[in-house]
Amino acid sequence: SQTIHQWPATLVQPVGSPLSLECTVEGTSNPNLYWYRQAAGRGLQLLFYSVGIGQISSEVPQNLSASRPQDRQFILSSKKLLLSDSGFYLCAWSPPVYSGNTIYFGEGSWLTVV
Amino acid sequence: GQQLNQSPQSMFIQEGEDVSMNCTSSSIFNTWLWYKQDPGEGPVLLIALYKAGELTSNGRLTAQFGITRKDSFLNISASIPSDVGIYFCAGQPGSTSGTYKYIFGTGTRLKVLA
Repeated sequence: SQTIHQWPATLVQPVGSPLSLECTVEGTSNPNLYWYRQAAGRGLQLLFYSVGIGQISSEVPQNLSASRPQDRQFILSSKKLLLSDSGFYLCAWSPPVYSGNTIYFGEGSWLTVV
Repeated sequence: GQQLNQSPQSMFIQEGEDVSMNCTSSSIFNTWLWYKQDPGEGPVLLIALYKAGELTSNGRLTAQFGITRKDSFLNISASIPSDVGIYFCAGQPGSTSGTYKYIFGTGTRLKVLA
């Protein structure tokens, strides 16, 4: 069966510090990968998605970037965090477009920028 | 970013009552998904709908894909305290350019009074 993991689960970072959140998927090949952000009490905002290694689409202009160095690895980064980057970050995956239309989420990472 | 209109925003109900919530969009969707999110965790898939008019049940949950492909509803029958949480709808746009994207509703926060 397929599994998705992201880490760290919680982190507190000072303004101006770098960020790296990692996500890996097991049990599938060539998944579509996503990063969503959820502000407290709000809906999910799509930040980035990727359909293959090195292929990244950005949905919202922002202080963050994403990379996909391996087929099942997705990384969310920032060089200098802002207070507004605080939130709950969710990694997700879906089967390659030709085989299914369901998206599955990781456990989430709480980021507090202070 | 683009979001679906989900209502109601919140509900307080008595244990044993039925619950209904819905999502609407101004554009056509190929897929409708319903999720439940507990505090501090990632959303968990409840029901997936892939065809207009499709009606699917999962235990006490029932969801339908609207005929116009622009809406979906979720019903919960005989609610219990563990139904508390935030329910999200999600849709996959029907246009070719949106094939890889999943757009989320703003969520319905459900509280069940014992």
